[in-house]
Amino acid sequence: GENVEQHPSTLSVQEGDSAVIKCTYSDSASNYFPWYKQELGKRPQLIIDIRSNVGEKKDQRIAVTLNKTAKHFSLHITETQPEDSAVYFCAADSPPYNQGGKLIFGQGTELSVKP
Amino acid sequence: GAVVSQHPSRVICKSGTSVKIECRSLDFQATTMFWYRQFPKQSLMLMATSNEGSKATYEQGVEKDKFLINHASLTLSTLTVTSAHPEDSSFYICSARAPLSRNTEAFFGQGTRLTVV
Repeated sequence: GENVEQHPSTLSVQEGDSAVIKCTYSDSASNYFPWYKQELGKRPQLIIDIRSNVGEKKDQRIAVTLNKTAKHFSLHITETQPEDSAVYFCAADSPPYNQGGKLIFGQGTELSVKP
Repeated sequence: GAVVSQHPSRVICKSGTSVKIECRSLDFQATTMFWYRQFPKQSLMLMATSNEGSKATYEQGVEKDKFLINHASLTLSTLTVTSAHPEDSSFYICSARAPLSRNTEAFFGQGTRLTVV
């Protein structure tokens, strides 16, 4: 089955710096890769996602890149702010693709943005 | 507003009792819902896939007789933790994926913090 590896497990940056979180996946047929932000005790919230027909997607300070050949994708947050502090999870789709199959999550990255 | 609603948000129960958690899809019909368990500072671990009108599909290592799942309608799935023990204390969270017209985005319930004493 699908396996998703996420690194680093913790990341500390100064306010204004960039943060990068990386994930690799094992199922070459996966075609949907969302990123979630989870604050303590809250539900995960989608912040950006990408499908395999594009290599990059950007939404203001957040961008995701996808390398299908290498089976890895990354989250980039620029101009970080203290409110970006949270746990971030990557995920990959599994069968039935495009029909809402289960998402397999990475281990999570605890991002801390210091003022 | 919330697309997926889960409750209760917190429950404390005595060891040996059963607890039922409800997950409702408010914006779309969900033939499939997912139940996750999350320990502190850990990832979301898929427990089972809830299938409307049929049996749930459990992940390896999850006891189906302990974690009963019922998906009686297209908008409601329930998870019952039977004969709960302290080691069942955890954060349980459900999810439903929107149809392709909405990018199959996964929406999560607010989670249920279960404490077994």
